[in-house]
Amino acid sequence: DAGVIQSPRHEVTEMGQEVTLRCKPISGHNSLFWYRQTMMRGLELLIYFNNNVPIDDSGMPEDRFSAKMPNASFSTLKIQPSEPRDSAVYFCASSFSSRMEQYFGPGTRLTVT
Amino acid sequence: TQLLEQSPQFLSIQEGENLTVYCNSSSVFSSLQWYRQEPGEGPVLLVTVVTGGEVKKLKRLTFQFGDARKDSSLHITAAQPGDTGLYLCAGVGTYKYIFGTGTRLKVLA
Repeated sequence: DAGVIQSPRHEVTEMGQEVTLRCKPISGHNSLFWYRQTMMRGLELLIYFNNNVPIDDSGMPEDRFSAKMPNASFSTLKIQPSEPRDSAVYFCASSFSSRMEQYFGPGTRLTVT
Repeated sequence: TQLLEQSPQFLSIQEGENLTVYCNSSSVFSSLQWYRQEPGEGPVLLVTVVTGGEVKKLKRLTFQFGDARKDSSLHITAAQPGDTGLYLCAGVGTYKYIFGTGTRLKVLA
């Protein structure tokens, strides 16, 4: 079975540009999480969805970040405009429920110059 | 705010040595999980502990959940280079799923 799929794996962009990260969760999972990981701040939860509905977005840094889950098999995290401090590895994870084991994707390494 | 502090932050040991990693919080969690993350990959679940005082073993790894469900420890016996990685605890609370600050382990051959 395919695990969580994220694209792109690497993204390099210039400050001010729009960045869209994509995630396909494991089929049958009803919870989806977006995380950001840096050496300084560790793994931070940005937002999570349950049954395609955003439940907790308190971790979203600011209005430049937005996330959508139009259906059970696809989610996007958008940054507009991007800034150098957004450089990090962004992970998507899914689970059967918000309290169960999370399966992580391989991550997207974002570099904003 | 629920926070999970892990210690030590970094650990470099020789193959064959034993080590213990700690995960502490002032808050109670309904369950606690341990993940291991290798470079270039996402975290992978090792174990979930649910009951206060619970001990689980996974080969050379022993996990314990504190009696009050606020803390946990991971003990590795006879560490091997393949144990190298970032170890993360994660607490499942009332409305949050919180990851700890992480312990970066390096086992030298």
